[in-house]
Amino acid sequence: AQSVSQHNHHVILSEAASLELGCNYSYGGTVNLFWYVQYPGQHLQLLLKYFSGDPLVKGIKGFEAEFIKSKFSFNLRKPSVQWSDTAEYFCAVGGGADGLTFGKGTHLIIQP
Amino acid sequence: DTGVSQDPRHKITKRGQNVTFRCDPISEHNRLYWYRQTLGQGPEFLTYFQNEAQLEKSRLLSDRFSAERPKGSFSTLEIQRTEQGDSAMYLCASSTGLTGLNWIEAFFGQGTRLTVV
Repeated sequence: AQSVSQHNHHVILSEAASLELGCNYSYGGTVNLFWYVQYPGQHLQLLLKYFSGDPLVKGIKGFEAEFIKSKFSFNLRKPSVQWSDTAEYFCAVGGGADGLTFGKGTHLIIQP
Repeated sequence: DTGVSQDPRHKITKRGQNVTFRCDPISEHNRLYWYRQTLGQGPEFLTYFQNEAQLEKSRLLSDRFSAERPKGSFSTLEIQRTEQGDSAMYLCASSTGLTGLNWIEAFFGQGTRLTVV
């Protein structure tokens, strides 16, 4: 069965700090990996996705993620966070007929 | 707004009552998904439609739950004889899901928050 593990449930950073959120997965099929973000009061939005090719994926708002197959990881990074990045971040794997399997999420708070 | 629309946004019901939620996907999307999200958890897959055909159901979808997409456009999710454990946010998502391609980005609605008292 597919599963996703997000290591940090709550992260508090100051503005301009660097961010890395961990995500490990297990999945038996073709790996499709996603990071979604949910800002307060808003719906889930796609930050970035990996299907194949270059393992370093760039997304919106300066986020990027690196797929490391040997480590079954897809960590999310941003070199300098802003107060507006305060949100819930979800890593997900799978898709299509299997639907997506999400991690439990990381609640990120950026202090001004 | 041309995004995924869900109605109602909030529903409070007494235990044992039936409830029905509606989802209107993005108009050209032929795939539609239902997810459930409880506090402190990520969304959990419930079921999936390709046009009007329900192609996959999670084990989470007990026989009290039924979903339909009669004309391949909007979808409804009904919960019969609601229980307190059904309290959650119910999310709908849609995607183009073209055959033969990798799974395409899903767009999520804002969800229906169900509270069973």
